[in-house]
Amino acid sequence: GQNIDQPTEMTATEGAIVQINCTYQTSGFNGLFWYQQHAGEAPTFLSYNVLDGLEEKGRFSSFLSRSKGYSYLLLKELQMKDSASYLCAVTNDYKLSFGAGTTVTVRA
Amino acid sequence: GAGVSQSPRYKVAKRGQDVALRCDPISGHVSLFWYQQALGQGPEFLTYFQNEAQLDKSGLPSDRFFAERPEGSVSTLKIQRTQQEDSAVYLCASSRNKDSSEAFFGQGTRLTVV
Repeated sequence: GQNIDQPTEMTATEGAIVQINCTYQTSGFNGLFWYQQHAGEAPTFLSYNVLDGLEEKGRFSSFLSRSKGYSYLLLKELQMKDSASYLCAVTNDYKLSFGAGTTVTVRA
Repeated sequence: GAGVSQSPRYKVAKRGQDVALRCDPISGHVSLFWYQQALGQGPEFLTYFQNEAQLDKSGLPSDRFFAERPEGSVSTLKIQRTQQEDSAVYLCASSRNKDSSEAFFGQGTRLTVV
């Protein structure tokens, strides 16, 4: 089975940094995705980690430790438009198994 | 098209009614996925097509759910005799690869069964 855990909600101030943790226990693992989803919209791709380590892409970074079953998404220099749900998803072959999502609220 | 297109965006069905949800994937994309997203939850896998072949339908909740992609492009998810627990957002995604590594999602169809 697939068990993917992430916090339900996080709140941060504009300009600050927020780290969203994701832990997983899955029957197979090819890679880990992070998606951003604004209310009523499609999930949009943020990052894909296959190997251990940190991948940086502008204001967003993602980290993976396969031995620990752990990943985090780091959002820097938060902007109001970053208020959204962030979904952690593990892929085993072709299908994605998602966590429930973390709702991030950015306050002025 | 520029992205994955789904129609209708919103659908209200009376309990017991049949519904059909359409997905137009990105042109040339080999893989097509359907996911179900309940309110406040992450998407749950329903089914997977590679071209016109339905390779995995293990996530379909019951035999009331049926999906097809007859020409390897447009796909339709059909739900027969809808029930209240079917209320959710149904997301379609497509990828040019045989996996999810470059999958793009549509905006989804929000189904409400009353």
